Amino acid sequence: QQQVKQSPQSLIVQKGGIPIINCAYENTAFDYFPWYQQFPGKGPALLIAIRPDVSEKKEGRFTISFNKSAKQFSLHIMDSQPGDSATYFCAASRREYGNKLVFGAGTILRVKS
Amino acid sequence: GAVVSQHPSRVICKSGTSVKIECRSLDFQATTMFWYRQFPKQSLMLMATSNEGSKATYEQGVEKDKFLINHASLTLSTLTVTSAHPEDSSFYICSANPTVQETQYFGPGTRLLVL
Repeated sequence: QQQVKQSPQSLIVQKGGIPIINCAYENTAFDYFPWYQQFPGKGPALLIAIRPDVSEKKEGRFTISFNKSAKQFSLHIMDSQPGDSATYFCAASRREYGNKLVFGAGTILRVKS
Repeated sequence: GAVVSQHPSRVICKSGTSVKIECRSLDFQATTMFWYRQFPKQSLMLMATSNEGSKATYEQGVEKDKFLINHASLTLSTLTVTSAHPEDSSFYICSANPTVQETQYFGPGTRLLVL
């Protein structure tokens, strides 16, 4: 029940394409859903985050779509660039659980120029 | 804002020695810090939660006597890998929550290689 399932495991898109990464969770007590971007040999960097009372959030080229009834959320990257090639992790947490993050398995994205 | 640093970024040590990794929140106070371990091409595995002024809470299967955590101030937590062995070689990453926020900000990680 504490798992966050992420798909696909890897993804290749052409420059300008819109990669979509999906995550699903079971625990309806989660109340915070961040996405992180990680480059090789670096720590994860927060991209964008959403709470379950919002169905969509945009920050620059990154959009989170959230479907509370389906317990799913997804990351869309508009006009993807080769510099977006990285590993992306979704996560979930709840303040009452001490804000401990439960991570998805990660998606390796490659944007071809 | 919300910068977390780690030191050292890379360390090589001999088997049996101890290694200390520092995690600092540079521009905010962090009541809670977290320590993760990451193997190549895998997700982050939470090792322990560190609260300022109290004992760390370790995840199941993490040896508390091997991975000593100290959170002496609102801006500094340390992880000491005691009597390191080659199987402890990994990428160790810390994160910190600004007080009263749920967002975790991650450090750049420390690559540990035990020979």
